[in-house]
Amino acid sequence: NAGVTQTPKFQVLKTGQSMTLQCAQDMNHNSMYWYRQDPGMGLRLIYYSASEGTTDKGEVPNGYNVSRLNKREFSLRLESAAPSQTSVYFCASISWGQDLGNSPLHFGNGTRLTVT
Amino acid sequence: SQQGEEDPQALSIQEGENATMNCSYKTSINNLQWYRQNSGRGLVHLILIRSNEREKHSGRLRVTLDTSKKSSSLLITASRAADTASYFCATDAHGNEKLTFGTGTRLTIIP
Repeated sequence: NAGVTQTPKFQVLKTGQSMTLQCAQDMNHNSMYWYRQDPGMGLRLIYYSASEGTTDKGEVPNGYNVSRLNKREFSLRLESAAPSQTSVYFCASISWGQDLGNSPLHFGNGTRLTVT
Repeated sequence: SQQGEEDPQALSIQEGENATMNCSYKTSINNLQWYRQNSGRGLVHLILIRSNEREKHSGRLRVTLDTSKKSSSLLITASRAADTASYFCATDAHGNEKLTFGTGTRLTIIP
């Protein structure tokens, strides 16, 4: 049982390049999230998907797009990378329900992205 | 702007002392969660408190929630060096699954 798997772990891009961060979960969770973490800023929500087939903007969606490919996978795309997108990106999933107390947000290990 | 704000931003205490950190949020919530992050690692869930609960305990952790003040506190009793980490609160806005985090408190336990 792998939990939440993110790929790649590290990536260096040049300004203007594009890339897709992949995220997959094997816990049958219905909701998935993309966050970015910068020093002193905590985690900021980029996009989330409450259920398969839906996506919504978070706090900092500009410059990003997402795809909820199926229940397991939620990808984040940078169409034209900028230095301001240098950050650590975390994917997470959760299953909201009556047993929420025993169902915390599960995180991937993060992708460290540098844009030069 | 972020939904949650932790206070203080940084806290250093001696091992064995109690550590208290606070979280304030802006909108009505369903639940509030606390997470810990060790340096360079992902976040680990500590405890969840529902909007209709006022206090919850888990081991050395005690969480309170005051929905009238839109605030929560996390108390870690008898601190240990291993408690050194950043602590974040997370809230899900009432009516949807948007889950946002605060800016975090960096806790340092001095041996």
